[in-house]
This record gives sequence, structure tokens and C-alpha cells, in this order.
Amino acid sequence: KAGVTQTPRYLIKTRGQQVTLSCSPISGHRSVSWYQQTPGQGLQFLFEYFSETQRNKGNFPGRFSGRQFSNSRSEMNVSTLELGDSALYLCASSTGGNGYTEAFFGQGTRLTVV
Amino acid sequence: DAKTTQPTSMDCAEGRAANLPCNHSTISGNEYVYWYRQIHSQGPQYIIHGLKNNETNEMASLIITEDRKSSTLILPHATLRDTAVYYCIVRVEGTSYDKVIFGPGTSLSVIP
Repeated sequence: KAGVTQTPRYLIKTRGQQVTLSCSPISGHRSVSWYQQTPGQGLQFLFEYFSETQRNKGNFPGRFSGRQFSNSRSEMNVSTLELGDSALYLCASSTGGNGYTEAFFGQGTRLTVV
Repeated sequence: DAKTTQPTSMDCAEGRAANLPCNHSTISGNEYVYWYRQIHSQGPQYIIHGLKNNETNEMASLIITEDRKSSTLILPHATLRDTAVYYCIVRVEGTSYDKVIFGPGTSLSVIP
């Protein structure tokens, strides 16, 4: 079956702009989590959505937001981009519900803020 | 802070077994040891997990010490495609990943 799909793969934005990233989970998976990965901070949890509701949230400012649609696809939005937001953004899907399977990650979106 | 510690980097000759250690001395009784790997600029890939018994699948073997304070991931015949960063994490099976901390991992270089 198809894996986790993230679009776009690469993105270049200017400081102050906003950006929306998309993630399509594995079919049947209802939980989607988002991560930011930078060389200095490693892999950091942003938030998790399950059944269109944010279930868990990491320690990121309110400029980072997300949503999930009824088909479990999820989007992440970053407003007022800063240079420090340059990173690889990863999403991971899992079954969620009564119990989470291990997380399956997408290939990520490489965001560069200039 | 991550609940696991791993060596920063390791080398392995192609065709030989790669043995990647992980210390998790504060692991709780209901936490499993999971291994993921991340090939450059791709998303992490699940490899294997276990509680206390040794586990094996088509990718690797996981050896967990009897006191569960450490474990070793074994890639039996390393290939160049196994060059990646390997992450050892602990997690209660069936729970969300929101509390899971991915540390720096071990950068494995498989050398021809």
C-alpha cells in the first residue's frame, strides 16, 4: 500500500511570508503527527491530529498551526516565516484510536526561508 | 532529555555485521525499545522493536540485555544502503509518539 506522502518536497520562501505543507497518511491511519528537524535541534514534535482534532502539541509558537480533514489528510501552516524556520518538516502517520501502531514517516518537505 | 544514549558515529565494513549499541538505563517496565533509521534527507524508517525478548525481522535483530538497561541493533550483513542515522527510542507500545524524544542517534557509515 502507498506510504505517507508529503507535498511539496522542496520549498523556498521569503521572511514574513506564510507557507502551507500537506501530508497524506497511509490509508486507514487516522493519526498524523508533524515534526521539525534541524541540524541543531534534531527531530522535534510539533503537534498531532486525530479525527480532525489536535490531540497533542509540542513547544512551538502559535505561528505554527495545523488542521486535519475528514479523509485524515493534514496540513501544516507556518505564518510570518523566520530564517530559523528553515528545516525539514516531517509528518508521520499511525492508526491512533484504541492504540497507536509505530509511526510511519513521509519523506519530508525541505523548507528554506531566505 | 532523551532517555537513550548512543555513540555519535560508527563505521562498518560492507558485508560485515553492524552492531549498534544503545543505553536506556532509566527505561520503565512498560516501555519498549524501538529502532528507526534515517537515510540522508528522507523520513525516519521503522526497523524493529522489543520489550525484553530478542527480536528478529527481515531487516535486523534486536538484542536486549536481561536487565533491559541496554540493547544492540544488529544488521547482519551491512550494505552501502545501510549508511544512515540510527535512532534508539523508548516508548510505551500503543501510545502516541508525542512524548518520544529522538536523540542525535548514531551515524553509521558502511565502508566498501
